[in-house]
Amino acid sequence: EDKVVQSPLSLVVHEGDTVTLNCSYEVTNFRSLLWYKQEKKAPTFLFMLTSSGIEKKSGRLSSILDKKELFSILNITATQTGDSAIYLCAVNTPGNQFYFGTGTSLTVIP
Amino acid sequence: EPEVTQTPSHQVTQMGQEVILRCVPISNHLYFYWYRQILGQKVEFLVSFYNNEISEKSEIFDDQFSVERPDGSNFTLKIRSTKLEDSAMYFCASSEMGPRQNSPLHFGNGTRLTVT
Repeated sequence: EDKVVQSPLSLVVHEGDTVTLNCSYEVTNFRSLLWYKQEKKAPTFLFMLTSSGIEKKSGRLSSILDKKELFSILNITATQTGDSAIYLCAVNTPGNQFYFGTGTSLTVIP
Repeated sequence: EPEVTQTPSHQVTQMGQEVILRCVPISNHLYFYWYRQILGQKVEFLVSFYNNEISEKSEIFDDQFSVERPDGSNFTLKIRSTKLEDSAMYFCASSEMGPRQNSPLHFGNGTRLTVT
């Protein structure tokens, strides 16, 4: 069975800290890995990664994929209270299916 | 920016009743999905829909569930006889590209279904 595992399950940090969220996967066929941020309702898209070793960056957020070791990390630098959310990792397989991990709940305290 | 819209935002129903959850995917998108998220749990895949038919469905998507695209814009999920364990947030999502191309999922804001 295809599997996506995220760690840690939850994290509490102070504003200004840097955090690293992890996502490992075991899927039969891999197309891409995606990161989403879920606040109160809908997950919102952050990054899609298809190639190993190429960092995607958007402001204080960045992500990288390792297809050999089957994992990805999401980094957030200089965290702010607005970064508090659940961060979801999903893997896309042929046939356009998306499998989600359980998410990492990040709380940033002032 | 175009978005996926879902109605209603919250639906309360009695066990055994039928519910229809409605979604309008982004207009040029080709793939449509339903996911659900039970409170505090992971986002679970229910069904995908492409080219006017079900592309794939999960074990959760049993005979009490059905999907329909009744016209060019709406995409509905019907639950025929709701059970208490169907209480969850139901997300509709769509993606732009077909099966051979990579594109992200775009989610609606969800319908919170409460079965009493």
